[in-house]
Amino acid sequence: AQSVAQPEDQVNVAEGNPLTVKCTYSVSGNPYLFWYVQYPNRGLQFLLKYITGDNLVKGSYGFEAEFNKSQTSFHLKKPSALVSDSALYFCAVRDWGGTASKLTFGTGTRLQVTL
Amino acid sequence: DAGVTQSPTHLIKTRGQQVTLRCSPKSGHDTVSWYQQALGQGPQFIFQYYEEEERQRGNFPDRFSGHQFPNYSSELNVNALLLGDSALYLCASSFSGGAVGDTQYFGPGTRLTVL
Repeated sequence: AQSVAQPEDQVNVAEGNPLTVKCTYSVSGNPYLFWYVQYPNRGLQFLLKYITGDNLVKGSYGFEAEFNKSQTSFHLKKPSALVSDSALYFCAVRDWGGTASKLTFGTGTRLQVTL
Repeated sequence: DAGVTQSPTHLIKTRGQQVTLRCSPKSGHDTVSWYQQALGQGPQFIFQYYEEEERQRGNFPDRFSGHQFPNYSSELNVNALLLGDSALYLCASSFSGGAVGDTQYFGPGTRLTVL
């Protein structure tokens, strides 16, 4: 089965500094990887995905992610953090089980951006 | 263009009762997936519906059942509620005819509390 791991429960960064939220994956076959963000009492918002092609994927709100096959990682990055980026971030992998394509999520990383 | 909508927003039930949650997919989408997100955890796949049939089920008991209607909207039913069913229930929609990396878009969720 496909899986992802988010090794950090929380990441703290000062506003204006670069941020990285880590994700590693374990898949058989080609990985289809996603990042979602969740604000308090809200559903998940899609940020970006990697399917194939360029290892640097650009997404919404200035976020980008770097796919690294040799390290089996898909880290989320942003050059300059904003206080409004404070939220819960989930990495997910497409799991082609049976006839459906479900998402398997990591445990989430809470990003705290302070002034 | 309306996104994924879910109703109700919040729900309080007692043990042993039954509950029905509703989801309307994003315009143009024909596939609906349901996820359960317990407090402090990542979403867990319950099942997926396409062409009014359940395509795949996650590791959830038969107390969890669903339905998809001809207009692609969907319901999640949970019978004989347990305290452990308290969670945020997320609906996600996608388009089956898209590329292999089709994205699932999530609704705001229904917060179910079982007392």
